Amino acid sequence: SAVISQKPSRDICQRGTSLTIQCQVDSQVTMMFWYRQQPGQSLTLIATANQGSEATYESGFVIDKFPISRPNLTFSTLTVSNMSPEDSSIYLCSVEGDWGSYEQYFGPGTRLTVT
Amino acid sequence: GESVGLHLPTLSVQEGDNSIINCAYSNSASDYFIWYKQESGKGPQFIIDIRSNMDKRQGQRVTVLLNKTVKHLSLQIAATQPGDSAVYFCAENIPGTYKYIFGTGTRLKVLA
Repeated sequence: SAVISQKPSRDICQRGTSLTIQCQVDSQVTMMFWYRQQPGQSLTLIATANQGSEATYESGFVIDKFPISRPNLTFSTLTVSNMSPEDSSIYLCSVEGDWGSYEQYFGPGTRLTVT
Repeated sequence: GESVGLHLPTLSVQEGDNSIINCAYSNSASDYFIWYKQESGKGPQFIIDIRSNMDKRQGQRVTVLLNKTVKHLSLQIAATQPGDSAVYFCAENIPGTYKYIFGTGTRLKVLA
């Protein structure tokens, strides 16, 4: 499986500011996914990011709040904009397994606290 | 690191006993499922998967059972060890996509 890293691993931010989270994969992948895991909760898909096209957002998530970039096949960023304490969560990126595989692998996560 | 799943259902088992973690899924058309293990401060780790054309699949010390009739999935861990302590999630593939719906999670505590 791919090795996935995320930066930063954690951050404490003030409300009203924005944070960009980076996800780097050690091999080329077609699809990358961004999830949110609120405290004590399960994982919720935010969006799917494919290289060369706009990200596809799930219900309840919008591009203005969570802009995503996917400049190449090994990298993606998620920005959490105009943050509020309700945005305090773990943000996770994931990738599919081998080309066409339905397996999905996760990065270590970014733990965001908004004060 | 911070704990995840602070309010999740908890299963406590003695070290060396077998653990069974259950999950109900929603879509009878779902044809692929994954179990993940999430340790405190880490991302979910892929444990084992199963396709809907199977009702059982075994890995190293883990077995996944799929009952399509009642839309139920279980993860069995043999000879549970302290290192198995974590939150376990099932994930249900949305047919025709690469997207998943995650279960609520179960915290496994291994008692020495």
